[in-house]
Amino acid sequence: GEKVEQHESTLSVREGDSAVINCTYTDTASSYFPWYKQEAGKSLHFVIDIRSNVDRKQSQRLIVLLDKKAKRFSLHITATQPEDSAIYFCAAEGMGYKLTFGTGTSLLVDP
Amino acid sequence: GPKVLQIPSHQIIDMGQMVTLNCDPVSNHLYFYWYKQILGQQMEFLVNFYNGKVMEKSKLFKDQFSVERPDGSYFTLKIQPTALEDSAVYFCASSFTGGNSDYTFGSGTRLLVI
Repeated sequence: GEKVEQHESTLSVREGDSAVINCTYTDTASSYFPWYKQEAGKSLHFVIDIRSNVDRKQSQRLIVLLDKKAKRFSLHITATQPEDSAIYFCAAEGMGYKLTFGTGTSLLVDP
Repeated sequence: GPKVLQIPSHQIIDMGQMVTLNCDPVSNHLYFYWYKQILGQQMEFLVNFYNGKVMEKSKLFKDQFSVERPDGSYFTLKIQPTALEDSAVYFCASSFTGGNSDYTFGSGTRLLVI
């Protein structure tokens, strides 16, 4: 089955800098890749997504890149703010809309 | 936006007892899911459910687990009997289809088996 590897387990940046989180996946059939944010003790909130028919998507300060050949996708948070601090999970969608998640990246933005 | 409600938010139960976790999905959604998250670890897929049937279950979905959604009411996850390793946060999710941002997670039920 699908495996998603999330490369950074922790990431610390200064406020205003960019943060980049990288994920790789194994199933070439996967075509939808969402990102979620989880604050301590809370649920997952959708952040941004990308479909396999594009290689870049931007929503305000968030950019997602997809390299299908390398089976790699990444989340770029520009001009980081303290409220961006949270755990970020990448995911790949498979059959039956099942999501396979990465192991999470704990992002800390120092003010 | 629309929410997925989970009841209860916390549950402590003696090992061997039965527990039912309840989920009220987004009203027009058709697909329902349960995920398990052990503290500090990733979310893992347990099961998905559509049109009254289980579509797929993972190896984490043990024989002691069952799901149902009788007459469009709560989507439930029942564990009978519970084991210590079932302690985790269980997240329900629902979606209308897939491949889009309407995939909505509930706030989770923290289950502690003692």
